[in-house]
Amino acid sequence: RKEVEQDPGPFNVPEGATVAFNCTYSNSASQSFFWYRQDCRKEPKLLMSVYSSGNEDGRFTAQLNRASQYISLLIRDSKLSDSATYLCVVRSGDMRFGAGTRLTVKP
Amino acid sequence: ETGVTQTPRHLVMGMTNKKSLKCEQHLGHNAMYWYKQSAKKPLELMFVYSLEERVENNSVPSRFSPECPNSSHLFLHLHTLQPEDSALYLCASSQDWGDSNYGYTFGSGTRLTVV
Repeated sequence: RKEVEQDPGPFNVPEGATVAFNCTYSNSASQSFFWYRQDCRKEPKLLMSVYSSGNEDGRFTAQLNRASQYISLLIRDSKLSDSATYLCVVRSGDMRFGAGTRLTVKP
Repeated sequence: ETGVTQTPRHLVMGMTNKKSLKCEQHLGHNAMYWYKQSAKKPLELMFVYSLEERVENNSVPSRFSPECPNSSHLFLHLHTLQPEDSALYLCASSQDWGDSNYGYTFGSGTRLTVV
């Protein structure tokens, strides 16, 4: 089983749509969780941390379910500029990355 | 200079060449990392340095040799690479190794092509 698993997509959605990404992780001792965004041929950049109680940053909402070892990211009112690959990242010591979910937002 | 800077941005090398990748961070972080990113695969952790000491080496072939002369600089020396080593090599830093509260800051990467 992979340490961090994500649906690779691609997700193709129209502007204004709501889209959700899921991620599961195998190490129950994982301590912290993040979503990163990676644009084509660029480096990953931190989008948001994921807290146990769930957290929101503008149009982005992250949820964590430790019992199920599951993380989600919800993007509301998607914009063209949201097109990117979204990486689920789990940390227990070192950071372990999922392979990413590709999102394309179309006009 | 801000953040994490990597040079060169692109590198094409033959299998018999020797080259080095350079990473410099201006964040005052104590931990630095090398990752390899191949197409459609997760980032693979290669090396970890904490306070200039190597703390992790994830079974990386000896043709990759890291060097950390101080807490701001990290090098990856390359020799006799194979075509399958072609990938994006990313450097990252964090305040401390094992600090679970914060994510990593990445450099823009070196896109390496081995011919």
